[in-house]
Amino acid sequence: SQQGEEDPQALSIQEGENATMNCSYKTSINNLQWYRQNSGRGLVHLILIRSNEREKHSGRLRVTLDTSKKSSSLLITASRAADTASYFCATAPYSSASKIIFGSGTRLSIRP
Amino acid sequence: EAGVTQFPSHSVIEKGQTVTLRCDPISGHDNLYWYRRVMGKEIKFLLHFVKESKQDESGMPNNRFLAERTGGTYSTLKVQPAELEDSGVYFCASSPISRGLNNEQFFGPGTRLTVL
Repeated sequence: SQQGEEDPQALSIQEGENATMNCSYKTSINNLQWYRQNSGRGLVHLILIRSNEREKHSGRLRVTLDTSKKSSSLLITASRAADTASYFCATAPYSSASKIIFGSGTRLSIRP
Repeated sequence: EAGVTQFPSHSVIEKGQTVTLRCDPISGHDNLYWYRRVMGKEIKFLLHFVKESKQDESGMPNNRFLAERTGGTYSTLKVQPAELEDSGVYFCASSPISRGLNNEQFFGPGTRLTVL
């Protein structure tokens, strides 16, 4: 089974609007992380939320975690052109002490 | 502080050839990870080093892939012989041992491998 499935696969919004991306996963986790990848560049860590946390903020980012539904959401408020990128959720399962498992990502495009 | 670096940034080889990818983690990071993303699919874990030891290599696809980390500093990932399905982006990440496992990993820019 695939861990960390993002929804939607692609999202296009107007600059200034809010963008919401969702992630679902299947196994019990230690934490869930969100990463961003700009075209042709490496992955940038955005935020980590632990399994005992329900919401976390970082600047214009807001992440929620619902372990009962095995889902998370990433909200970017007041989007900017520079937010155009692919966003991935990644889970750290209890069954593994090392790896994190990525979803297939959401491609976010911000229209000027 | 320099981030994780990877070399080369892009490699184009023919099927059957050998390619070696290199990763230099952030100085002092004992944990080093390899991941890859093939054909726009999800990013998949390959293996994890703690210093020079392989902690978890459950994601290595087959015996054509060999990863080493002699001396516990930089790491290499060799693909021999390369197949068409090996094309993709190979990411390296590192994290300090003091933060424990399952915490933030710092990623490099990736190496884009194209097998023709």
